Amino acid sequence: QKEVEQNSGPLSVPEGAIASLNCTYSDRGSQSFFWYRQYSGKSPELIMFIYSNGDKEDGRFTAQLNKASQYVSLLIRDSQPSDSATYLCAVIGRNTGFQKLVFGTGTRLLVSP
Amino acid sequence: DARVTQTPRHKVTEMGQEVTMRCQPILGHNTVFWYRQTMMQGLELLAYFRNRAPLDDSGMPKDRFSAEMPDATLATLKIQPSEPRDSAVYFCASGLVRGTSTDTQYFGPGTRLTVL
Repeated sequence: QKEVEQNSGPLSVPEGAIASLNCTYSDRGSQSFFWYRQYSGKSPELIMFIYSNGDKEDGRFTAQLNKASQYVSLLIRDSQPSDSATYLCAVIGRNTGFQKLVFGTGTRLLVSP
Repeated sequence: DARVTQTPRHKVTEMGQEVTMRCQPILGHNTVFWYRQTMMQGLELLAYFRNRAPLDDSGMPKDRFSAEMPDATLATLKIQPSEPRDSAVYFCASGLVRGTSTDTQYFGPGTRLTVL
C-alpha cells in the first residue's frame, strides 16, 4: 500500500462546477496535510494546508480532513479552465519522524469551457 | 518576493558525463530538499538537509549521486556518471522546520535533465 494515494484521473468537470479531489494516507500518525497544484512543465505550488479535522476554506478552495478515516480532500468551487492542472496531495507523518513530505502521484484535473 | 532558484533550467548531456545542479534556497529556510519527478514514478524525495547537515539520502542511488550543501545559500546535486534513466526533472525545495513543526515547502523551477 502506498503511503499517499490519489486517483490519477483525469477528472473532467465543466466550467463552473465543483471539482472534488481525494487523497488517502496510510500513516495514522500523520499531522500535516498539503495540497499542491502543478501546471504542466512547472513546479508544484502550494494551494492549501490543513492540520485539524474539519474544513478549511480559502477563496474557491476548501480542504477537508478526516483523520479517523485517513482521507483529505480538496474542493474547488466554480471551477475555471485555468484550474486545469495536476493536484498533488502531500502528508507529513510519524513514519518519517514528521520531517518529510510524502507525495501522492497526483490527480489530473481538466476543466472544460 | 523570496523564491527558490535553480540552475541550470535545462541540461542535455551524454551518458557518462558529470552533471551538477545547483539550488539557492529561500533566505532563512533551514531545510533543503532534492526531488526527482518522472511520469512513471511521480515526485520522489532524493535527499534533504537541515542546517546544512544531510539528514536523509536514502532516496538517492549512492553509487552515482551525491548531494552537498557547502553553505547556507547553495545546495548541489551531482550525478557521475550520468545514465539515460536519470532523465527527469529535478526540483529543489526549501522550508523552515522548528522543533517538530514542519512548515510548508517551496519549490524551485526545476532542472530538466536529458541524458542521451
